[in-house]
Amino acid sequence: DTGVSQNPRHKITKRGQNVTFRCDPISEHNRLYWYRQTLGQGPEFLTYFQNEAQLEKSRLLSDRFSAERPKGSFSTLEIQRTEQGDSAMYLCASIGGQANTGELFFGEGSRLTVL
Amino acid sequence: AQKITQTQPGMFVQEKEAVTLDCTYDTSDPSYGLFWYKQPSSGEMIFLIYQGSYDQQNATEGRYSLNFQKARKSANLVISASQLGDSAMYFCAMRGEDSSYKLIFGSGTRLLVRP
Repeated sequence: DTGVSQNPRHKITKRGQNVTFRCDPISEHNRLYWYRQTLGQGPEFLTYFQNEAQLEKSRLLSDRFSAERPKGSFSTLEIQRTEQGDSAMYLCASIGGQANTGELFFGEGSRLTVL
Repeated sequence: AQKITQTQPGMFVQEKEAVTLDCTYDTSDPSYGLFWYKQPSSGEMIFLIYQGSYDQQNATEGRYSLNFQKARKSANLVISASQLGDSAMYFCAMRGEDSSYKLIFGSGTRLLVRP
């Protein structure tokens, strides 16, 4: 399978704990995006990388959130000191350098529940 | 700022009939792209169709067509011959001129196809 892969698919944690999500994009894609989707809403942009460089961060990305893409391949999204409001689906997407229509290819998401 | 508005939280359609999902957008960019994604209960965002702002003809992809009315800033999705498997959330999204290629999403429409 050469699609976008996200792990874990589900994570239940207690308030105050740290969690980390991993995204493996399509191998030749140089851009990687993180989105957050709360129940009944559309995905909201969090941040994106071009290769290993983090080029844009949304104001939604508080100081408790950090994303990395150290070698320009997979990416991690860490949430420190989780709060109940962090409960959401975290979606990863990627796109190649020669984007035609520019559609993002999404993974199946990582659902976070903070108790 | 860019904005996508989907005013139909939920829609019903009878199997084999056509349905139109509404989307209006707002942008000051002269060049932009409009997308529709389908999100089944599994969570993955599936790309359906794309319309560029300078495209002369409405986009079509199989049973999906995009009714693009630039002056009205609308990009409605038409699904013909609805199937039970079309039951899902549908999101309209926009990409502007900035180099990030990020998409801004609407709040979505839940479509239920009745047998």
